Amino acid sequence: EVQLVESGGTLVQPGGSLRLSCTASGFTFSNYWMSWLRQAPGQGLEWVANIKQDGSQKNSVDSVRGRFIISRDNTKNALYLQMNSLSVEDTAVYYCARGGSSMGLWGQGTQVTVSS
Amino acid sequence: DIQMTQSPSSLSASVGDRVTITCRASQDISNSLAWIQQRPGKAPKSLLYAASSFQSGVPSRFSGSGSGTDFTLTISSLQPEDFATYYCQQYHAYPYSFGQGTRLDIK
Repeated sequence: EVQLVESGGTLVQPGGSLRLSCTASGFTFSNYWMSWLRQAPGQGLEWVANIKQDGSQKNSVDSVRGRFIISRDNTKNALYLQMNSLSVEDTAVYYCARGGSSMGLWGQGTQVTVSS
Repeated sequence: DIQMTQSPSSLSASVGDRVTITCRASQDISNSLAWIQQRPGKAPKSLLYAASSFQSGVPSRFSGSGSGTDFTLTISSLQPEDFATYYCQQYHAYPYSFGQGTRLDIK
């Protein structure tokens, strides 16, 4: 089955760090750009970052640049998002998606809550 | 940054109705536009890319059109599973951006 499964979301204190993972199955992971997006409670969708097939190109939204790092391990069919210096404004469901521009496949999401 | 504006923000319709949602970009984005559906409590699902091309498995009652700054998503005959929130997304330039969403409710 073609799918993406995110994990790693949890409750974390402001200023803390967290690493999200996304495991791909059912397709050739190394052939695709991959992306992270998020959705704050009751809000719309926000693009966060994307990464090229070989990891040589990465892009991110200004609000996370310097704090969040996107990476991938093609040997494990895995996408990661290292999140540092978290603030309450980062509270959201985080989705990984296949594609670097239009997202053809989405995961089910993982909840990140930043609160003291 | 490119701003995406959808209209209406919400609408009510009945099963079998024809519905059109509009998305406007703050600058020319060519045809670099996607449409995404999100049912309540569920993950997003991509419907269309390049303004009018279907993602795999999307029913033909969905269609998209437009280029430049003005785009539309049309559902030709609403089905019960189509009641959801719809987002447009531009991928012409970073940072990629979404419209605020159009919530489609059952009348």
